[in-house]
Amino acid sequence: DTEVTQTPKHLVMGMTNKKSLKCEQHMGHRAMYWYKQKAKKPPELMFVYSYEKLSINESVPSRFSPECPNSSLLNLHLHALQPEDSALYLCASSQKAGEGYEQYFGPGTRLTVT
Amino acid sequence: GEDVEQSLFLSVREGDSSVINCTYTDSSSTYLYWYKQEPGAGLQLLTYIFSNMDMKQDQRLTVLLNKKDKHLSLRIADTQTGDSAIYFCALLRVADKLIFGTGTRLQVFP
Repeated sequence: DTEVTQTPKHLVMGMTNKKSLKCEQHMGHRAMYWYKQKAKKPPELMFVYSYEKLSINESVPSRFSPECPNSSLLNLHLHALQPEDSALYLCASSQKAGEGYEQYFGPGTRLTVT
Repeated sequence: GEDVEQSLFLSVREGDSSVINCTYTDSSSTYLYWYKQEPGAGLQLLTYIFSNMDMKQDQRLTVLLNKKDKHLSLRIADTQTGDSAIYFCALLRVADKLIFGTGTRLQVFP
């Protein structure tokens, strides 16, 4: 089973709202990732968690706040977003962080900020 | 930063072979991947190759790596309409960072 699940599938939020994206995997993977993908563009890495600790933050604005409460779950808390933050947000996981461990992606959450 | 370029679009007839190309500037990646993305969906890992290999075959998929020219390709044999999607090459960089190519939209017509 190489399934990564993400909820919700679609989210529309106003610039003053607070919302959260959720990602879950039950493959025993110890590395989890958030990517952002704008329309017609490749995914761009936002955050990496390794063994529930944040190991990479790609200079993401503080209105995006990741959280890894346990080894199976990854959240992305959203607050005071801008319309340009509208994108597909993809979660991925791998057995471990580092070379040689394939990243498996979830279906994404399509976020629209109004 | 690193540039990973792909041609934007490829159109092939059903049953023919498709070849999707990827060129890159930084040759230090040890793992190179191919992902498929269908409309509105996440990315599906198709295959990968180690940098010390020249070729890898996996059923209908053949990956070729030319390190000298910094060129990676994915050949899909007997292309089917279900293969229509966007294909991304991706290079694993230090600190576990995947750098994706610009993506190639493959259209398969009957």
